[in-house]
Amino acid sequence: AQSVAQPEDQVNVAEGNPLTVKCTYSVSGNPYLFWYVQYPNRGLQFLLKYITGDNLVKGSYGFEAEFNKSQTSFHLKKPSALVSDSALYFCAAPVSNRKLIWGLGTSLAVNP
Amino acid sequence: EAGVTQFPSHSVIEKGQTVTLRCDPISGHDNLYWYRRVMGKEIKFLLHFVKESKQDESGMPNNRFLAERTGGTYSTLKVQPAELEDSGVYFCASNQQENTEAFFGQGTRLTVV
Repeated sequence: AQSVAQPEDQVNVAEGNPLTVKCTYSVSGNPYLFWYVQYPNRGLQFLLKYITGDNLVKGSYGFEAEFNKSQTSFHLKKPSALVSDSALYFCAAPVSNRKLIWGLGTSLAVNP
Repeated sequence: EAGVTQFPSHSVIEKGQTVTLRCDPISGHDNLYWYRRVMGKEIKFLLHFVKESKQDESGMPNNRFLAERTGGTYSTLKVQPAELEDSGVYFCASNQQENTEAFFGQGTRLTVV
């Protein structure tokens, strides 16, 4: 079965430190991959996507993600975390009929 | 440009009652999706409209759920009768082309008591 996994329920980092939120995938064919963020009391907001081309994808708010085919990973990164980055992060991939399958989500807490 | 809007933002109903959720997609977006997140679990696909047609409704839990998109504009999702396990956050999303990023509404938090 096709799936997206986020192995960490929660990630804690200090403000100013680099952050990584992990995502691995198991999908057929060439994967399309997305990262979404949900801030408290807000809807899901698109951050970035990988379709094809460069393995390093840059997105909103200084986030980037690295597609690694051999490790079937698409980890989300940011060089210097802000307290305002604290939110719930979701990795997702479209599968047949274009519906998205999702990871469980990772709660990121950036401590001042 | 207005984003995807959902109404209501919260709904608390008793088991056995009926609730109707509404989603207004971004104007011009042919694709409309419904998803649900039950607390502690992953976001799950419910169904996909292309204009007014149901392209994929494989994620609909059972026949207590009915989705419509008359005229290919806004969509409604009716739960009748509601059960406790229907509680969760219902998200609506839209996009113009498949495999492009979907834009999500704020979600409707449904609580069945």
